Amino acid sequence: GAVVSQHPSRVICKSGTSVKIECRSLDFQATTMFWYRQFPKQSLMLMATSNEGSKATYEQGVEKDKFLINHASLTLSTLTVTSAHPEDSSFYICSARRPTSTDTQYFGPGTRLTVL
Amino acid sequence: TQLLEQSPQFLSIQEGENLTVYCNSSSVFSSLQWYRQEPGEGPVLLVTVVTGGEVKKLKRLTFQFGDARKDSSLHITAAQPGDTGLYLCAGARTNAGKSTFGDGTTLTVKP
Repeated sequence: GAVVSQHPSRVICKSGTSVKIECRSLDFQATTMFWYRQFPKQSLMLMATSNEGSKATYEQGVEKDKFLINHASLTLSTLTVTSAHPEDSSFYICSARRPTSTDTQYFGPGTRLTVL
Repeated sequence: TQLLEQSPQFLSIQEGENLTVYCNSSSVFSSLQWYRQEPGEGPVLLVTVVTGGEVKKLKRLTFQFGDARKDSSLHITAAQPGDTGLYLCAGARTNAGKSTFGDGTTLTVKP
């Protein structure tokens, strides 16, 4: 299967700081990547669709100024949580969609963010 | 809004038992994926089904895509503790952008 990496795997930061999470597609070029947030024992909640070379598409209720997404290349998308607060603590997961007829998404290992 | 209803939400069984997880929708998907996720990790792709009526087997796991490509099932034979995890189904539509995810099934297999 395809490999998608995420960095860092876990981060602890103070309230008010910004945190950048990187998502890389290691073995295929991904024009589309997705960012999800997951709460304990729940399914994935889509935050935004990241499109290479254009602005991300955010889901309803997700603040685009709070969660900045940049998809500058076909293998890298970044999510920056700006001015993080304790309520932003969560498990963030990215995925890359392989451009084939099945449109299968391959997920990164996730990033555990803890805001103190 | 496309919905993908997944059931059951929680399942706790003894080792050796069989189980089936269902994903149902009123929408047609061009493909459907099943993932398994362990705590603290990202979902791992188990299978992609594309053709209506398709059946795929992965060791003790059998996946079926409905004839109309609106529903799917995952059957596990002789479950083992290592099968414990969150199982997610996701329906994709060509050129539609995002996929539709089910709410997940948390499976616990007790030794």
